[in-house]
Amino acid sequence: AQTVTQSQPEMSVQEAETVTLSCTYDTSESDYYLFWYKQPPSRQMILVIRQEAYKQQNATENRFSVNFQKAAKSFSLKISDSQLGDAAMYFCAYRSYNNDMRFGAGTRLTVKP
Amino acid sequence: ETGVTQSPTHLIKTRGQQVTLRCSSQSGHNTVSWYQQALGQGPQFIFQYYREEENGRGNFPPRFSGLQFPNYSSELNVNALELDDSALYLCASSLNDIASYGYTFGSGTRLTVV
Repeated sequence: AQTVTQSQPEMSVQEAETVTLSCTYDTSESDYYLFWYKQPPSRQMILVIRQEAYKQQNATENRFSVNFQKAAKSFSLKISDSQLGDAAMYFCAYRSYNNDMRFGAGTRLTVKP
Repeated sequence: ETGVTQSPTHLIKTRGQQVTLRCSSQSGHNTVSWYQQALGQGPQFIFQYYREEENGRGNFPPRFSGLQFPNYSSELNVNALELDDSALYLCASSLNDIASYGYTFGSGTRLTVV
């Protein structure tokens, strides 16, 4: 069974600094997709970034980038130039063909002004 | 383009009662997935509907059931409510059940069972 582990329940970063959120996963499949979702107090899960496992190049979306290490089954999220609006719960998620999306337990990110 | 809409936003029920939660998928999306998110935890997969058929189910008992309608909106029904059913219920839609597509989530229904 696929599992997703986020080992950092809480993280804190100073505004304008960089922070990295960790995620590892367990799978025996070779083709799959990885996602980072943000959940602010409004409760709606918002897609931050997506990575296809067959692509070696790490995905980037503006201030958000990932470090995807397929052999190590690691998928970390780096947030650069952190802003107050980045404060939220962040969930790492995994999905493979014909399977549902599996989520980690989440990391609560606090941004200090 | 409308997003995913869930109703109601909050609900309080008594143990043993039944509840129906509703979800309108994003325009053009034909797949709906339901998740249960307990406080302080990540979402747990309940089931998915694709073109009105159940297309996968998580580790939830049969008293959790669902429907998807021809317009791709969906309902989640929970019978014989238990205190542990108190959680945020999230609906997510996507185009087809292809893994490459991320989900679009609604804001959830907060269910409290007393």
